[in-house]
Amino acid sequence: KNEVEQSPQNLTAQEGEFITINCSYSVGISALHWLQQHPGGGIVSLFMLSSGKKKHGRLIATINIQEKHSSLHITASHPRDSAVYICAVGRAGTASKLTFGTGTRLQVTL
Amino acid sequence: NAGVTQTPKFQVLKTGQSMTLQCAQDMNHEYMSWYRQDPGMGLRLIHYSVGAGITDQGEVPNGYNVSRSTTEDFPLRLLSAAPSQTSVYFCASQQGVGYGYTFGSGTRLTVV
Repeated sequence: KNEVEQSPQNLTAQEGEFITINCSYSVGISALHWLQQHPGGGIVSLFMLSSGKKKHGRLIATINIQEKHSSLHITASHPRDSAVYICAVGRAGTASKLTFGTGTRLQVTL
Repeated sequence: NAGVTQTPKFQVLKTGQSMTLQCAQDMNHEYMSWYRQDPGMGLRLIHYSVGAGITDQGEVPNGYNVSRSTTEDFPLRLLSAAPSQTSVYFCASQQGVGYGYTFGSGTRLTVV
């Protein structure tokens, strides 16, 4: 079993829909990261979380440390949100070592 | 600021050839790391460094060497390329524990 599991693997939504991507992990962590990767493109860091909730524009990320679970929400989705969203965890007691989920491919249509 | 710069963007190697993937950052970040991305497997850590002169192995280090002689540069060396090393390689830097990551734009390597 992978240490970081994401669901769903693929997601198709219509413009304007509310989207949720889930991430569960099985190891102790120092922080959890949400990343975005556009097709053929580089990787952009969206959020780093160690507790609670963060919001940036239409994106909201939450984490529940006790349940070892995080969610990424996109409100009022738009076709430009189409990308792969990757959850990664920094393991407790380590430095600069990330373990990644396999990503969620999101397609937002008009 | 350029952020994290990776070169080259694309490379084709023959089996057995050697090459160096370059990674440079201008943010004075202490932590740098190399990852490879393969379809269906997610990103995996190859090597990482927590400062000049300090490197350590990640999850998939075999066939790769690194060095960190300066804070800015963290090159990844393939000593004898193999088809299994065909992948997209990303370099990342981090100011320290508790900070976010900045990724380079990637190097797409094909070994034939």
